[in-house]
Amino acid sequence: DQQVKQNSPSLSVQEGRISILNCDYTNSMFDYFLWYKKYPAEGPTFLISISSIKDKNEDGRFTVFLNKSAKHLSLHIVPSQPGDSAVYFCAARRFQGGSEKLVFGKGTKLTVNP
Amino acid sequence: EAGVAQSPRYKIIEKRQSVAFWCNPISGHATLYWYQQILGQGPKLLIQFQNNGVVDDSQLPKDRFSAERLKGVDSTLKIQPAKLEDSAVYLCASSPFLTGELFFGEGSRLTVL
Repeated sequence: DQQVKQNSPSLSVQEGRISILNCDYTNSMFDYFLWYKKYPAEGPTFLISISSIKDKNEDGRFTVFLNKSAKHLSLHIVPSQPGDSAVYFCAARRFQGGSEKLVFGKGTKLTVNP
Repeated sequence: EAGVAQSPRYKIIEKRQSVAFWCNPISGHATLYWYQQILGQGPKLLIQFQNNGVVDDSQLPKDRFSAERLKGVDSTLKIQPAKLEDSAVYLCASSPFLTGELFFGEGSRLTVL
C-alpha cells in the first residue's frame, strides 16, 4: 500500500529552466508535507515543507504547491542549477498513537544539465 | 552543531551472519528513527524511539532485527541472521520536536552476499 507516490523516477532539465517534481498521496489524514533532497552517499536533507492548511510555500528558488482536493503536491525549482541535481523525496506526515509518522515516496532523480 | 553520526559506513557480510549498526543523534533530540532504504525505493521506517521508549516498530522484522536506544541517546540496530534481501542503506535520523523535519545521518550501506 503505497500512500505517497512519485510517479516519475527521473527528470532532466536545462540549467536556468523550471523543474517541476510531482507527488500524489492517498491518505486524507496527512497534515504536513515535506520535500527532502539526497545527494549520492549522503543522507536526505530537509528542503521545504507545507502544512495542509496552506496551498503554497515559497523559500528562495523553491516553491511547494498543495492541491488538497486532488491529493497532489508539487515542488518547483526556478531557476534550476546544476547543483540541484539530486534525488528528491516527497514525504507526508500523520499523527498516530501520539507520535508523528512520516511516509516517503520512492523519489525522483533530477538532473540539471549545464 | 554536530550532525547525526552513524557507523560503519559500509559493511559486507554473508547471509546468515550478523551485523550491528550504531547511531549517535544530534544532542537534545528526543526522537530517533531507523529507516531502511532499498535501492530505488524511498526510506521505510523500521523503528521509532521517543527518548528510550519504542513508539513504533510495526515494520521491524522482529524475528531477525532488533534495536535499542541506550539511556535515550545512542542507538544500535542489529540484524541476525542476515538475508540477501536485507541489502540496503540503513539510515538513522533524529528530530527535536514534532515538525517532521528529520535530520539524517549519512547511512550505513549493507551488502549481504
